[in-house]
Amino acid sequence: SQQGEEDPQALSIQEGENATMNCSYKTSINNLQWYRQNSGRGLVHLILIRSNEREKHSGRLRVTLDTSKKSSSLLITASRAADTASYFCATESGGGADGLTFGKGTHLIIQP
Amino acid sequence: AAGVIQSPRHLIKEKRETATLKCYPIPRHDTVYWYQQGPGQDPQFLISFYEKMQSDKGSIPDRFSAQQFSDYHSELNMSSLELGDSALYFCASSWRGGVSGEKLFFGSGTQLSVL
Repeated sequence: SQQGEEDPQALSIQEGENATMNCSYKTSINNLQWYRQNSGRGLVHLILIRSNEREKHSGRLRVTLDTSKKSSSLLITASRAADTASYFCATESGGGADGLTFGKGTHLIIQP
Repeated sequence: AAGVIQSPRHLIKEKRETATLKCYPIPRHDTVYWYQQGPGQDPQFLISFYEKMQSDKGSIPDRFSAQQFSDYHSELNMSSLELGDSALYFCASSWRGGVSGEKLFFGSGTQLSVL
């Protein structure tokens, strides 16, 4: 079953603008992670936020987590053409080596 | 730095054939995961191994099996291939030490096309 659902499914903005992507999930989680994927390539980990954290920053990335609403957002500030990719949130609910459950992803296009 | 190595990069098979995908995790990583990603879809978790033992099972068909060997490399075996098995198959590894919360490192994937 789907755990993470992202919106919007596609987002096109001008270079330099900020991009915000949202993710909702259904069950309780240990942590939520965001990954980036260039077309046909492997996923690259961006940031992890634990269930007891509300906000986290990494460079131009800002992630928020609202466990009461079971939602998270990823903000990319000052976007660049190289940020064009698909972005997925992934949740971890179990312990040990349980697999991550990915959402459907947001395809972000940065217009130069 | 060493990354997760997957082979082959591309694989073309006929219906009802078998396929074997290989994954070499990052050295000293103790957990391997397999994911399937159809065109325009999100990655679907198939199976994972922790310290060479099967740890968790997702939406892996009975026609598929996987194992992790003593050198920590893993293989995904797929039999009686169907057209719907055409997808990008990713392997990922992490060091978990039995505790959740570590990021996954993904390989570049194997693109399987079933004709």
